[in-house]
Amino acid sequence: NAGVTQTPKFQVLKTGQSMTLQCAQDMNHNSMYWYRQDPGMGLRLIYYSASEGTTDKGEVPNGYNVSRLNKREFSLRLESAAPSQTSVYFCASSDVWTLYNEQFFGPGTRLTVL
Amino acid sequence: TQLLEQSPQFLSIQEGENLTVYCNSSSVFSSLQWYRQEPGEGPVLLVTVVTGGEVKKLKRLTFQFGDARKDSSLHITAAQPGDTGLYLCAPFRTGANNLFFGTGTRLTVIP
Repeated sequence: NAGVTQTPKFQVLKTGQSMTLQCAQDMNHNSMYWYRQDPGMGLRLIYYSASEGTTDKGEVPNGYNVSRLNKREFSLRLESAAPSQTSVYFCASSDVWTLYNEQFFGPGTRLTVL
Repeated sequence: TQLLEQSPQFLSIQEGENLTVYCNSSSVFSSLQWYRQEPGEGPVLLVTVVTGGEVKKLKRLTFQFGDARKDSSLHITAAQPGDTGLYLCAPFRTGANNLFFGTGTRLTVIP
């Protein structure tokens, strides 16, 4: 099992460009999440999908959109990138049937917006 | 708004030393998770503590959940360079849809 995979690993964008970050999991988990990690800020939730067909905003959703394509895949889109979106982005998944929402993370996408 | 504080923010120690890091909150939680994040990687779950006063051991790592379920500690005995990383605590409330992560303690173990 690959667990949670993310593509790309690194990306450099210019202000105003758009891109989609891809995430897939092979653990048959129902819930998936997108976080961003900035120095001194910890992991902050952008969007999550509790189950296929549903998405909800997290703590910092502005400037992002998501698509839960199917049970395996959850993508994050930046429509018009800004320097403030320079960050490391992590996708995670969890099994809705666990009591404590223990999450499994991908390796991250390091995004720089110039 | 829940407040979650991890301390210390940074810790640099020599191989073989012992250390304790803390996770404190003003809120009560049903459970709490600890994750370790190595440089360039995503966080990896270490343990979940559930019961107030609970102690769990994972080799040289000892995790404790406070009696009031507002705080937790992680003690590492005889630290090794492989323990280097960012240690994150993530409390969980029953019925919540997601976790809330602390800012972490960045540990460096010098050989």
